[in-house]
Amino acid sequence: KAGVTQTPRYLIKTRGQQVTLSCSPISGHRSVSWYQQTPGQGLQFLFEYFSETQRNKGNFPGRFSGRQFSNSRSEMNVSTLELGDSALYLCASSLATGASGNTIYFGEGSWLTVV
Amino acid sequence: AQSVTQLGSHVSVSEGALVLLRCNYSSSVPPYLFWYVQYPNQGLQLLLKYTTGATLVKGINGFEAEFKKSETSFHLTKPSAHMSDAAEYFCAVSSPTRGSYIPTFGRGTSLIVHP
Repeated sequence: KAGVTQTPRYLIKTRGQQVTLSCSPISGHRSVSWYQQTPGQGLQFLFEYFSETQRNKGNFPGRFSGRQFSNSRSEMNVSTLELGDSALYLCASSLATGASGNTIYFGEGSWLTVV
Repeated sequence: AQSVTQLGSHVSVSEGALVLLRCNYSSSVPPYLFWYVQYPNQGLQLLLKYTTGATLVKGINGFEAEFKKSETSFHLTKPSAHMSDAAEYFCAVSSPTRGSYIPTFGRGTSLIVHP
């Protein structure tokens, strides 16, 4: 069974640009969540999508947005990039139902560097 | 509300020695608890989880953790450290509310293994 797949793995952007990251969840998983990981702030929750609807949102500015498609694949977008957006962006998926539904599985992450 | 505290941002052990990584949580409802491991330049990998039932949970790579409700702890142990165990370890708590399974992560503990 394929795991969570994130693309691209590495990218470099210039301040002010925008970026779109993609995530394909484990087959059958309907929930996709996104996290930002930095050395200073650790793992911070961005948002969660379930059946194409944003169900939860972390404390990030509106420049950070996401969406989920009918096949559960998800994208996140960051507009007007700032230097502080440089981070590892992790996608995770889960069944989100039942006793085992709370276990989330992570992808390898997308390394974003803003210069 | 839920939170996780990992005691010690760095833990150093000798190869073959006992590994003990500490995690304390707070949760207003019975928690689900997790340990994840992150190797350099990779995403997070699930080591083990506690949902209900037996309080001693065994995971991959010889790790185990014990849920102690009275101490609100979920410490991770391994009898004998191996060089390949050097990584970042994250404790997480999930308390499903309003249908959400979003876990809260600790700041992580870096395990250093000396030869």
